[in-house]
Amino acid sequence: ELKVEQNPLFLSMQEGKNYTIYCNYSTTSDRLYWYRQDPGKSLESLFVLLSNGAVKQEGRLMASLDTKARLSTLHITAAVHDLSATYFCAVDLDNTGTASKLTFGTGTRLQVTL
Amino acid sequence: DTGVSQDPRHKITKRGQNVTFRCDPISEHNRLYWYRQTLGQGPEFLTYFQNEAQLEKSRLLSDRFSAERPKGSFSTLEIQRTEQGDSAMYLCASSYHGGQGLFFGSGTQLSVL
Repeated sequence: ELKVEQNPLFLSMQEGKNYTIYCNYSTTSDRLYWYRQDPGKSLESLFVLLSNGAVKQEGRLMASLDTKARLSTLHITAAVHDLSATYFCAVDLDNTGTASKLTFGTGTRLQVTL
Repeated sequence: DTGVSQDPRHKITKRGQNVTFRCDPISEHNRLYWYRQTLGQGPEFLTYFQNEAQLEKSRLLSDRFSAERPKGSFSTLEIQRTEQGDSAMYLCASSYHGGQGLFFGSGTQLSVL
């Protein structure tokens, strides 16, 4: 059974600081997704990582994937308050080219303080 | 708006009642998924359809749950004889060939009293 673990589960950081969220998974896969969720809201797609060594950046967020280590990271640069949310990684075991059922991590709740 | 839409946004019901939720996926998407999310947890897969065919159901989907996608477009999720443990956010998502992941709707928040 695929297990997806994130750490930390909760992260409080000051504005302007850098930090990394880690996502480990237990079964070989080269398809990993990062989502953001604001309280009471649905999930917003952030990054789609489809191969070993993939790196994507959007604003202050950068995601990478190491399929050999079964590890993805979400790096936050110079955090701002607007980044406060819960971040989920999700792993897809379907390699047919169409996204299939995703197994989500437990989420990392990020709180950026002024 | 061409995103995934769900109805209703909120549903409060008494234990033992039946409820039905609707999901309209993005029009060109052929796959549709139902997930359930409880407070503080990540979404858990329930079931998914490719066109009108239900391809997989999670063991989380008890006999009280049934999902349909009769014409390969919108889908409904029905819960019969609701229990307090069914209280959760029910999320619908859709996808298409191309590896861009799942696009989620706003969800239906179910509260069973």
